[in-house]
Amino acid sequence: DIQMTQSPASLSASLGETVSIECLASEGISNDLAWYQQKSGKSPQLLIYAASRLQDGVPSRFSGSGSGTRYSLKISGMQPEDEADYFCQQSYKYPYTFGAGTKLELK
Amino acid sequence: QVKLLQSGAALVKPGASVKMSCKASGYTFTDYWVSWVKQSHGKSLEWIGEIYPNSGATNFNEKFKGKATLTVDKSTSTAYMELSRLTSEDSAIYYCTRLDYDGTYYYFDYWGQGVMVTVSS
Repeated sequence: DIQMTQSPASLSASLGETVSIECLASEGISNDLAWYQQKSGKSPQLLIYAASRLQDGVPSRFSGSGSGTRYSLKISGMQPEDEADYFCQQSYKYPYTFGAGTKLELK
Repeated sequence: QVKLLQSGAALVKPGASVKMSCKASGYTFTDYWVSWVKQSHGKSLEWIGEIYPNSGATNFNEKFKGKATLTVDKSTSTAYMELSRLTSEDSAIYYCTRLDYDGTYYYFDYWGQGVMVTVSS
């Protein structure tokens, strides 16, 4: 199985701060990577797919980048509503696998 | 608009089975794979498997073969997952999700609200 190592496990950001979350795949996944946001008690919501494509309706402060085995999610200007857990996920090979998640809190 | 409406929470005894549903609306049910995802301990996500409603074809995570059975009812646009021989390790929230494909990449674009399953005597 492809292992997705996500870091950091948690972080705290101030209002307006730019934050980055990293995801390292155990083998190359050819940009077949998505990022999801999960707010407390809610279902995951798609933010980014194909490593860098913004899902319709997602604020432009969210962006994704990367290639090969290394990918990242950036939030340019932390907002209160961005407090959530974030997960990366690969669809390159079965079984689809997720990172362990990053808990983002507002400082 | 696309919606995936899942059945309610379940409290089941160890060794029993549970069957949950996921009713799709707002799109052509038979055109998209439906996956099921497990979330344990309030954090980690695991892909269980997927079913293509048009043909009934399935793919599974090896870890869940023998544990999960996936079926669909095309007449009601509903996907089902049955979990068997339940243990405390099966206590979790289970989501159904639609797999979209843009010609090159796959991604889960819509999710159900989740079903909390508690295994307890």
